[in-house]
Amino acid sequence: DAGVIQSPRHEVTEMGQEVTLRCKPISGHDYLFWYRQTMMRGLELLIYFNNNVPIDDSGMPEDRFSAKMPNASFSTLKIQPSEPRDSAVYFCASSRNRGGMGYTFGSGTRLTVV
Amino acid sequence: GESVGLHLPTLSVQEGDNSIINCAYSNSASDYFIWYKQESGKGPQFIIDIRSNMDKRQGQRVTVLLNKTVKHLSLQIAATQPGDSAVYFCAEHTQGGSEKLVFGKGTKLTVNP
Repeated sequence: DAGVIQSPRHEVTEMGQEVTLRCKPISGHDYLFWYRQTMMRGLELLIYFNNNVPIDDSGMPEDRFSAKMPNASFSTLKIQPSEPRDSAVYFCASSRNRGGMGYTFGSGTRLTVV
Repeated sequence: GESVGLHLPTLSVQEGDNSIINCAYSNSASDYFIWYKQESGKGPQFIIDIRSNMDKRQGQRVTVLLNKTVKHLSLQIAATQPGDSAVYFCAEHTQGGSEKLVFGKGTKLTVNP
């Protein structure tokens, strides 16, 4: 089992550019979560999917952020246009079960917007 | 001006000592709690969990204690090793609500050889 796979590991981009982060969840996991980690706010949930359907996007900061899950093995988080305050580590996690059990996190994408 | 970063609580212990990391959770309706370990450059990694109908659970070298009266969770690490150095987060799940986990701010544990 390769675990949750995120790409790229690091991304440096200029303000105003579009950024796309990618995630491949563990096969058979029905839930996929996108979290953002910053020193100021810690780990925050942005959005989560169940069976490829977005369920709770209340954590998405603003319209510049969007997330999709076109199939069970792939999800993207897009920021357009990016701003320096978006700089953070973005984690994807997946789980098989309801109830918060069995979350597995990816290694994260460190995004720097200059 | 520049934003002030979050100041993580820190705990520094000697190798071989026992460590206790504390967490105050926010929602009295939470039914499930997890401790995660995050090493530098990696994602959070599951350590141990506990359901709200329990007050203690033991794993290998780790014990989690839950006090629902004061909404407090603790993680005890026995015979702490240098490899235990990391940031530790508690997380809570609330039954009947969103499937999300709400994470605490974290505690940085440093183990001195």
